[in-house]
Amino acid sequence: GAVVSQHPSWVICKSGTSVKIECRSLDFQATTMFWYRQFPKQSLMLMATSNEGSKATYEQGVEKDKFLINHASLTLSTLTVTSAHPEDSSFYICSARTGLPSYEQYFGPGTRLTVT
Amino acid sequence: SQQGEEDPQALSIQEGENATMNCSYKTSINNLQWYRQNSGRGLVHLILIRSNEREKHSGRLRVTLDTSKKSSSLLITASRAADTASYFCATDDTGANSKLTFGKGITLSVRP
Repeated sequence: GAVVSQHPSWVICKSGTSVKIECRSLDFQATTMFWYRQFPKQSLMLMATSNEGSKATYEQGVEKDKFLINHASLTLSTLTVTSAHPEDSSFYICSARTGLPSYEQYFGPGTRLTVT
Repeated sequence: SQQGEEDPQALSIQEGENATMNCSYKTSINNLQWYRQNSGRGLVHLILIRSNEREKHSGRLRVTLDTSKKSSSLLITASRAADTASYFCATDDTGANSKLTFGKGITLSVRP
C-alpha cells in the first residue's frame, strides 16, 4: 500500500518557539493532505485540509495563524506550530489522499510534540 | 466535530473470544472505515465498507453497515492478545471535498 511519512517522529521544544512537522507521500501524489491532532486517550480531531498550491481550509476553532500549513508540492505538506505553548503538546497525524477514482486516504505514523 | 460514536468505549475479553464493536453516525456517508491504533502509534487501516455494501470480510474481521440505522459493527473473531488496541470508526462524506471524521474510539483489551 501507499506510504506516508512524517518527520520528526517526536520533538521537544521550549515554550514560545516554533516547530515544523513534515508530511510526505512517498510513492504517490497527493493533491489533498489532512492534519489531525490527537490528545491522550482521545480521538483524532481534524485540524485542516491542505490542497496543493492553495490555502488550507481550517476546521472551526483551529487558529490558522498558529498552525501554519504549506502544501508546496504534490508529495509534501508541512505544519508549523508557531509560538508553541504546553497546551499544544499533542500527537499530530497527517494523512494524504489519492485522487480519482478511489480517493483513498493513507496516514502517517504521527509526530509527538512536547512543549516544555 | 465528531461524527461516529462507538460503543462500548472499553471492552475487555479473553483471548479466543469474539469482540464486537459498534459505531453510529449522523449524516449520509460515502463509506465507513475502521482503523486500529496501538498505544502511541499511528493508525492502521483495517477495512472500508461502501455505502452500498452491507457486509465485508477481511481475515478475522467482519464489518457490517446498516445505512438505514446509520450504524456499523466490527467483529473480530478468535481474538488474540495482539489485537489489544484502540479501534476507531471513521466516516467519509461524499464528493471531492470529503474528509474523514473519526469517532471517539473503543479500547479493546484482550487478556492472554
